[in-house]
Amino acid sequence: SAVISQKPSRDICQRGTSLTIQCQVDSQVTMMFWYRQQPGQSLTLIATANQGSEATYESGFVIDKFPISRPNLTFSTLTVSNMSPEDSSIYLCSVEAGVDEAFFGQGTRLTVV
Amino acid sequence: AQSVTQPDIHITVSEGASLELRCNYSYGATPYLFWYVQSPGQGLQLLLKYFSGDTLVQGIKGFEAEFKRSQSSFNLRKPSVHWSDAAEYFCAVGASSASKIIFGSGTRLSIRP
Repeated sequence: SAVISQKPSRDICQRGTSLTIQCQVDSQVTMMFWYRQQPGQSLTLIATANQGSEATYESGFVIDKFPISRPNLTFSTLTVSNMSPEDSSIYLCSVEAGVDEAFFGQGTRLTVV
Repeated sequence: AQSVTQPDIHITVSEGASLELRCNYSYGATPYLFWYVQSPGQGLQLLLKYFSGDTLVQGIKGFEAEFKRSQSSFNLRKPSVHWSDAAEYFCAVGASSASKIIFGSGTRLSIRP
């Protein structure tokens, strides 16, 4: 299994600013994933982050808006840039660990005012 | 296109009653199928998963799901629900355990005392 710690757990931010979310895993993992869950909605994959390479973004998400870092096999950050109220969501980090199982962090609840 | 449909947005059942949450998927190849539960303010927890083999899968917390290829369904069941089962349930499909998991829109389960 894997234990994932996300920081911050929640934040209220002013529009136009940026927030960096951290994801720390208690074991080395190859792939880390970032998801967004908009209010009342399901989860949508933002990007896949592999150590040592550029993140791979899904359709509708761009690096300028959601830059991702993956400096090592246990850590990743997602930045939400130039925020607007539409970015208010829960952002979740996920990793694959063990035998074909994905683990999720508890998420970062972001409110943009 | 790959997709997951959960036709029931909200279901209310009485405590002790049986439960079935519906899930239909559209996927080009043999998919990995998952059910996750999200309790209020919590992260996602994997209830069960199906890759191959026996089409009736047992999970945690007394849940089970049955894969029916002919119906492209993966319905979640529990013979007797408990008040603590009140949560949001997500069906998901993926090419592997954690690669580009596509989530359904979720079904919110309420328990009637």
